[in-house]
Amino acid sequence: GESVGLHLPTLSVQEGDNSIINCAYSNSASDYFIWYKQESGKGPQFIIDIRSNMDKRQGQRVTVLLNKTVKHLSLQIAATQPGDSAVYFCAENPGGSARQLTFGSGTQLTVLP
Amino acid sequence: NAGVTQTPKFQVLKTGQSMTLQCAQDMNHEYMSWYRQDPGMGLRLIHYSVGAGITDQGEVPNGYNVSRSTTEDFPLRLLSAAPSQTSVYFCASRTPGPTPSGYTFGSGTRLTVV
Repeated sequence: GESVGLHLPTLSVQEGDNSIINCAYSNSASDYFIWYKQESGKGPQFIIDIRSNMDKRQGQRVTVLLNKTVKHLSLQIAATQPGDSAVYFCAENPGGSARQLTFGSGTQLTVLP
Repeated sequence: NAGVTQTPKFQVLKTGQSMTLQCAQDMNHEYMSWYRQDPGMGLRLIHYSVGAGITDQGEVPNGYNVSRSTTEDFPLRLLSAAPSQTSVYFCASRTPGPTPSGYTFGSGTRLTVV
């Protein structure tokens, strides 16, 4: 079936550097893409989303880029901080009235001092 | 608001035992879902509900039952626990609408089946 996957399972960055987390998706019918942050022992927290008719969306210190041609999604975190250390998931909504989500396997981001 | 509350936080079961994972939300959300999260994998949808009295299967429904008698509660029942059901279970809820981005997740139930 359709799935969402990530290129790298782990990513380490120096504090203050920018982080880029990538995600590949395969369902061309998906119309929403969402990034979640999951800290140890907690449930996922919404970071930012993007509709399929957009290429870029910015939030506070985060930017999501969507390339529908190659079915690629990325999350950019500016000036990465220790509090950004977590697992990051991309999720897609493959359509349908119930609007359920399909999640990728996650990337562990570690911020080095 | 407490948000989405899951109980218990931890549970150990013997193979063949049954139990119910509780999920309650106080945000008057119509949509509720159950996911399981296994090591190195993303969340997989077990069952979901778009309103009281309405439930449907997700990606991995086998071995689980759900019911939705009220808007607030969405319990997940394991009928006969198996080691393959060892996982972390998350409940989530949101209001209906065109965007699926508004999910609020509970803090999870860590289940071990021995």
